[in-house]
Amino acid sequence: DAGITQSPRHKVTETGTPVTLRCHQTENHRYMYWYRQDPGHGLRLIHYSYGVKDTDKGEVSDGYSVSRSKTEDFLLTLESATSSQTSVYFCAIGEGTGGRGSTEAFFGQGTRLTVV
Amino acid sequence: QKEVEQDPGPLSVPEGAIVSLNCTYSNSAFQYFMWYRQYSRKGPELLMYTYSSGNKEDGRFTAQVDKSSKYISLFIRDSQPSDSATYLCAMPNDYKLSFGAGTTVTVRA
Repeated sequence: DAGITQSPRHKVTETGTPVTLRCHQTENHRYMYWYRQDPGHGLRLIHYSYGVKDTDKGEVSDGYSVSRSKTEDFLLTLESATSSQTSVYFCAIGEGTGGRGSTEAFFGQGTRLTVV
Repeated sequence: QKEVEQDPGPLSVPEGAIVSLNCTYSNSAFQYFMWYRQYSRKGPELLMYTYSSGNKEDGRFTAQVDKSSKYISLFIRDSQPSDSATYLCAMPNDYKLSFGAGTTVTVRA
């Protein structure tokens, strides 16, 4: 999985509680991404980072925050979890524009989050 | 309207059949077109990519791009049960990827 580790892999939490998901890479890629995947919607970008402390919003960022204090770690926080945030969360890494110029992204194994 | 549209299927075919998958897109600035494959409970992996219009072949897989119609296709020849997966089209957009919804394919032995 291109040196990407997501933790935890599974989590069940209660509505209203804060949750933090962690993505750790050993590839030294500049870009890191958080996506969520839901049936019928494919992968939707939540937030992404283009360097330490440099982050930006994706298309479904409401209710989520991120932090990147080190190149290798990208944290996704659900400030107050809601049932609509039940999903599979994927971290991805990349170079933005690689040798292919194609913005290839390498994905982690995913975190299955259930909010009850 | 989403930037990338893909019929989520599902699609079920017998072993040996040709699988045809497609996506449409709205942003005429897209230059690179990618197909990711995702096995159940795994992360997506890049299967193929093409640049601009034309065809690209890799073994049993062929990717086609028609920029004039904003339409891309992926064909799988001589499909195998091991091809059973979700296939997602993706297009780079400002250092990010815009994905289609994904089509789930089952190849029956």
